[in-house]
Formats: sequence, C-alpha cells, structure tokens
Amino acid sequence: DGGITQSPKYLFRKEGQNVTLSCEQNLNHDAMYWYRQDPGQGLRLIYYSQIVNDFQKGDIAEGYSVSREKKESFPLTVTSAQKNPTAFYLCASIPTSRGAGNTIYFGEGSWLTVV
Amino acid sequence: GEDVEQSLFLSVREGDSSVINCTYTDSSSTYLYWYKQEPGAGLQLLTYIFSNMDMKQDQRLTVLLNKKDKHLSLRIADTQTGDSAIYFCAALGTGFQKLVFGTGTRLLVSP
Repeated sequence: DGGITQSPKYLFRKEGQNVTLSCEQNLNHDAMYWYRQDPGQGLRLIYYSQIVNDFQKGDIAEGYSVSREKKESFPLTVTSAQKNPTAFYLCASIPTSRGAGNTIYFGEGSWLTVV
Repeated sequence: GEDVEQSLFLSVREGDSSVINCTYTDSSSTYLYWYKQEPGAGLQLLTYIFSNMDMKQDQRLTVLLNKKDKHLSLRIADTQTGDSAIYFCAALGTGFQKLVFGTGTRLLVSP
C-alpha cells in the first residue's frame, strides 16, 4: 500500500546535537512538507518542496534544514541552532500533477525530545 | 505569504449546529481543507473544496467559500458529543504549492 513513512517515531536528543528525521513516500507525489505541532497548537510550516532539488522556507525555518535529492525522500535536520526543538514533527505530501487529486497524505509523525 | 486564521474556541449544545470559521490571505489558493484532530490522534480529513466552488455538502457537513472575503466556514449539523475535537482549516497556494494550516478551533459539545 502506498503511504508516507516517518522515522523514528520517538527520538531523544541531547542539547547541542543535530538530529535528522526521515520522511519517505511511495505515492509518487511531487510536493512534500514538514510541520511542527506543539501541544495544544496548530501545525506550523517549517519547509516545503514542490520538486526534486528545490525547497522553500516555511514560517518557522530557522534552526532547521532539508534536502530533496530524490522525489520520494524529504529528510528534516533539526540543528543545534533550533532554540526549542522538543515537539511533534509531521511530514505530508500531495500530488500536484493535473488530474492526480488533491488529498493530503500525512505520516504518523515523530516525537522529538531534547534532554 | 499565506496566513490562515481561526477563532480558538467554540462551545455548543448537543443537537445544535456548529459553525467554524476560517479566513485566509492568499486569494490564489486552489484547495481549502477541513481537518479534525481528536486528543492524541492524527489529522482526519473531513472535507475539502476547490476554489471554483461556493458550497459543498457532505452528510452533516456543509462548507461555504466566500472568495471575495477569503472566508471559509464549516457547518456541522446536529452536533454530537463525538464531534468534540480541534478543527483545522488549511489552504493550498499556487506557485510553490505552499500548504498552510490555521491555528485550529477547539469545539466543545455539551450534552
């Protein structure tokens, strides 16, 4: 079955360390997204990518980095520069080609805790 | 850039209708979505509307889109206690396909 796989589901990190969250999709979707959700709050856009080798900053990109070397993969690195990295991170994708539909697919999310 | 705003809280009695409102800033938004999130759970797609439509109805749900005012609403008829959750609207822009979510509206349904 097609879908989005995020890993790891739970991650603990020491302060000052970088960590990379994986997001892989086998849906042949063009656009991919990373969001952060804090308890009791909405989804805030970190980065997004419409096509391979191109990505755009979202509303809270500082302290994060991404790459899009392959269509199916959009990893997110939480760097030591991110002041408040403890959060729930959600990856999403949508097809953007004409006639492909418009349903947003979500991964199951990754819980990152900085200790 | 795109900004999506929602009121934070709505309280209704069981059996009443609920109306959750959303405003967005990008007039070129193509698709507008409504998602539901229950405590500890993921996002569940309720419905969506394409920008060339004014209204969409799906069982108890009615979506109204006012493109002139950039206003989207979700009406839930005969609201039940099981409808208590956080409701998010989202707007998909053209160009780089920026997908932005609102802050969410917490709906509380009392018996």
